[in-house]
Amino acid sequence: QSVLTQPPSASGTPGQRVTISCSGGSSNIGRNSVNWYQQLPGTAPKLLIYGSDQRPSGVPDRFSGSKSGTSASLAISGLQSEDEADYYCAAWDDSLKGVVFGGGTQLTVL
Amino acid sequence: QVQLQESGPGLVKPSQTLSLTCTVSGGSISSGNYYWSWIRQPAGKGLEWIGRFYTSGSTNYNPSLKSRVTISVDTSNNQFSLKLSSVTAADTAVYYCARQAMVRGVISFDYWGQGTLVTVSS
Repeated sequence: QSVLTQPPSASGTPGQRVTISCSGGSSNIGRNSVNWYQQLPGTAPKLLIYGSDQRPSGVPDRFSGSKSGTSASLAISGLQSEDEADYYCAAWDDSLKGVVFGGGTQLTVL
Repeated sequence: QVQLQESGPGLVKPSQTLSLTCTVSGGSISSGNYYWSWIRQPAGKGLEWIGRFYTSGSTNYNPSLKSRVTISVDTSNNQFSLKLSSVTAADTAVYYCARQAMVRGVISFDYWGQGTLVTVSS
């Protein structure tokens, strides 16, 4: 049971916009920023969004993040086949004094 | 370019201690404001943070694993290590080492190792 809650799956067709939600609580998302990671099949996770809405250099601007209260979202516009991956949200939890992850969302491009 | 590489036994017997090492290249493990972490992922499941140490020497551990985990550093070899004691089949997973860096006041995992599979079985 993950501390942060994500839908287990999401899907879309090429060119569509999809969003993935991440729900937490007052000790994690409510007080700290959210990072998003993309994990392509068989590879290590890669930082996609940091600070809730910042993109590292090299990440296409099709990817965007937002946070409101104790929830965060990852949006992917202009969906492409190479976006098919697992996506994880993560945040620092002040009560647990550790990093907590969401359970991950498997994105399928139909 | 910072690179991390995990190494260690791929098979550990139940009740024994799992030991892994992460070798860092492209930068010194003892300089800069970085956290060095271990994360694991059971097959087909999500990511679980195990713990980290800071370059100042402080450590944080996942409360659910704290009693069994030790993370230490070997600055002379630019490595950090994970020891997880009293393992069971539930500890079977791909283990990743990763660096956390602060950018614009935000801490995130910016570099990851490729991961190493550890199976707990007799």
